[in-house]
Amino acid sequence: GENVEQHPSTLSVQEGDSAVIKCTYSDSASNYFPWYKQELGKGPQLIIDIRSNVGEKKDQRIAVTLNKTAKHFSLHITETQPEDSAVYFCAASYGNDMRFGAGTRLTVKP
Amino acid sequence: DSGVTQTPKHLITATGQRVTLRCSPRSGDLSVYWYQQSLDQGLQFLIQYYNGEERAKGNILERFSAQQFPDLHSELNLSSLELGDSALYFCASSPSTGIGEKLFFGSGTQLSVL
Repeated sequence: GENVEQHPSTLSVQEGDSAVIKCTYSDSASNYFPWYKQELGKGPQLIIDIRSNVGEKKDQRIAVTLNKTAKHFSLHITETQPEDSAVYFCAASYGNDMRFGAGTRLTVKP
Repeated sequence: DSGVTQTPKHLITATGQRVTLRCSPRSGDLSVYWYQQSLDQGLQFLIQYYNGEERAKGNILERFSAQQFPDLHSELNLSSLELGDSALYFCASSPSTGIGEKLFFGSGTQLSVL
């Protein structure tokens, strides 16, 4: 089955800096790669996703890149703000089986 | 608000007991997924139902079972509870069961087994 590894497990940045979180996956058949943000006391919330036929996708300050050959994808957050502080999960799926990374705790210092 | 409702929010019980967690999906969503989140395991997929039928199974223990009812709400039953079952249990829903479905998560049920 699919195995997703996520790095780093914790990330601390200064407000206004960029943050990058990286994930690798094992199953070359995976074709859908979402990113979720989980704030304290809440469930994960989808923030951006990318499909295997696309190399990059942007949504305001958030971007995701996908390298299918290397089987890795990354989340980029620019101009970070304190409200970006949360746990971020990457995931990879093929069909019904979506596997999540272990999560990255991002702290944005004011 | 994702539109997915989970009850109860918190549950405290003892080892050996049985509990039922409930999930109401977003209006119109036919698929329901259950995930377990513990500190050292991240988000683990347990099981998926689509329109009342089991569609996919993950790392779900034999002591756990689930079902989806005709009104599309789902219940996750956990029996013979052990200390290690303490975790946050999430339900998620999606419109269908196709490839690349966006999942919408509820706020979770925090289960504490003492």
